[in-house]
Formats: sequence, structure tokens, C-alpha cells
Amino acid sequence: EIVMTQSPATLSVSPGERATLSCRASQSVSNNLAWYQQKPGQAPRLLIYGASTRATGIPARFSGSGSGTQFTLTINSLQSEDFAVYYCQQYNNWPPGTFGPGTKVDIK
Amino acid sequence: EVQLVESGGGLVQPGGPLRLSCAASGFTFTIYSMNWVRQAPGKGLEWVSYLSSSTSTTYYADSVKGRFTISRDNAKNSLYLHMNSLRAEDTAVYYCARGAYGDYYMDVWGKGTTVTVSS
Repeated sequence: EIVMTQSPATLSVSPGERATLSCRASQSVSNNLAWYQQKPGQAPRLLIYGASTRATGIPARFSGSGSGTQFTLTINSLQSEDFAVYYCQQYNNWPPGTFGPGTKVDIK
Repeated sequence: EVQLVESGGGLVQPGGPLRLSCAASGFTFTIYSMNWVRQAPGKGLEWVSYLSSSTSTTYYADSVKGRFTISRDNAKNSLYLHMNSLRAEDTAVYYCARGAYGDYYMDVWGKGTTVTVSS
């Protein structure tokens, strides 16, 4: 089973700044990597799939990059609504669709 | 509007059964695979089960294999999770999530239903 790790566990960022989140897979997942955003008390929402393709309705300030085992989610000019937990998930080796433990982005 | 609405959660005793339902609307349910994903209190996301659009393929997380059964009724646009031999560690919010067409990531999620296993 592929193990996903995310760093840092918590990222403190001021509104308007850039946030850079990392996700690593224990073995190559090609570009079969998705990012989800979850706000408190809400369901997860798909942000990025295919490592770098934004889902429908996702603002351009969200971007994804990487392939193989190393991936990055970048959020430019953080807005108040972007403070949330972000999960990566690999879907290259299915099942299971393993999620990372999440990165919490909070207000600095 | 594309929507998934879960129901059926509640308090159940250890060892007991429970059936979760997910009502789909706003899209052609029959052509999409479906999943259940859960989240224990204060924890991360755990994929639980997958069912293909044709119902011919099912997958389960090792933690629920042999105890949970996923099914769907395409005539009713509904997905189900039949849970047996429930344990305290099954306590979680259970989300219904649509598999992206032709792929495995999950592009639409319901709001979840809470299952609490406790005596």
C-alpha cells in the first residue's frame, strides 16, 4: 500500500501571502494525485486532480505541480476562505485510494 | 445541481448493524462509480469502499472487509453501505463521494452522516 505524507502539519500564513504545501508518496503515483480542501464542519471539496488540473470552479490562485513521488499545492494571495485543512490523495494504485494526513493552513 | 445526500447514521451498539444511504441527484447516476469515505472525530480522511457504475466491481479497505457491503440501486439513484459487526473504531462521519468519470479521484461529495458505535 502506498503511504502518503504531507508537510508541514500546520502552516501559519498571513492573508495575502503565499502558502506552499507538500505531499510525498512512498512510491511513484505518476500524476494520479488529487488535492482536497476541507473547512471545519464541511465535506471535502476537490481542488486539483491529475496533480495540476484545477477542478471546476476552483480559483486560479490554487495551483498544483509535481509527478512521481513529490507534489506541491500552492495557494497564492491567501484569502480568508482558504484557511482550511488540505489533503492529498493518490489514485494511481487503486485500491486503496490513500490520503495524506492533511496540512492545516491557519491564520498567522 | 449535482447533489449527494447521506442518511441513516446514528448511535449503534458494538456488534450491531446499520445501513447508510446516499441519494444522488442532478447527474446521470448510472454512469458513475461511487465511494464511501469516512472521517473519525478529529482525524483525517479514510477511503472505505468503491463500487463501479456497472456494480460488477467492488473494493473495500482492509479495516472493513468482510463486515461492510456496498451496493447501489440505479433505478432509485441511490448508494448504500451495509455495515455489520460494528466496532468503536468505526465511529466516524461517513461521506458518499462520486468517482470522477473514467477515473478514481472523487469529484463530488455529500455532507456526511455521523455513525457512533457505543454501548
